[in-house]
Amino acid sequence: GIQVEQSPPDLILQEGANSTLRCNFSDSVNNLQWFHQNPWGQLINLFYIPSGTKQNGRLSATTVATERYSLLYISSSQTTDSGVYFCAVERKSTGNQFYFGTGTSLTVIP
Amino acid sequence: EPEVTQTPSHQVTQMGQEVILRCVPISNHLYFYWYRQILGQKVEFLVSFYNNEISEKSEIFDDQFSVERPDGSNFTLKIRSTKLEDSAMYFCASSGLAGDFETQYFGPGTRLLVL
Repeated sequence: GIQVEQSPPDLILQEGANSTLRCNFSDSVNNLQWFHQNPWGQLINLFYIPSGTKQNGRLSATTVATERYSLLYISSSQTTDSGVYFCAVERKSTGNQFYFGTGTSLTVIP
Repeated sequence: EPEVTQTPSHQVTQMGQEVILRCVPISNHLYFYWYRQILGQKVEFLVSFYNNEISEKSEIFDDQFSVERPDGSNFTLKIRSTKLEDSAMYFCASSGLAGDFETQYFGPGTRLLVL
């Protein structure tokens, strides 16, 4: 399978601060998604981003496929951003399953 | 926006009992998946399903597990004889809508506790 590493594993931010979460993967991929797991355990789609840059409000993501990493940027963080952020990758040659990273646990304090 | 739904949201069962977890994927999606997440760990792939048959399965998906699409809308995961280590959050996902083929959409999960 594909190895997916995320950093940092834990992050504590003051409300209003910015942060960058990183996802490294061990092989070329066809699909990469970022998810936010909220305190109730639900996985919320943030971005489908196998390459390039996307923005959605205070969140943006960049994937550099040739260098096998993706970054998730959170600007002006809010307490509701707290939770665990996962990236997941898929490679067609190994089927259409997702390989998830171990996540970054974010806590935003007021 | 269409979404994947799962029932029940929580289930408690005794070891050795059979459980069936239910999912309604997004209408017109072609691929269906089950994943699980043991508390505090990462999400792990169990099985994918396409064209009414299993297309891939992981090592976790042994003979105790089965999946079925009994009608045009439901997708179920059955655990025949539950073990303590089956306690986890189980997520259903679907993908394959034209124009957004690759994105996997996840349901809210079923939290299974085996006692």
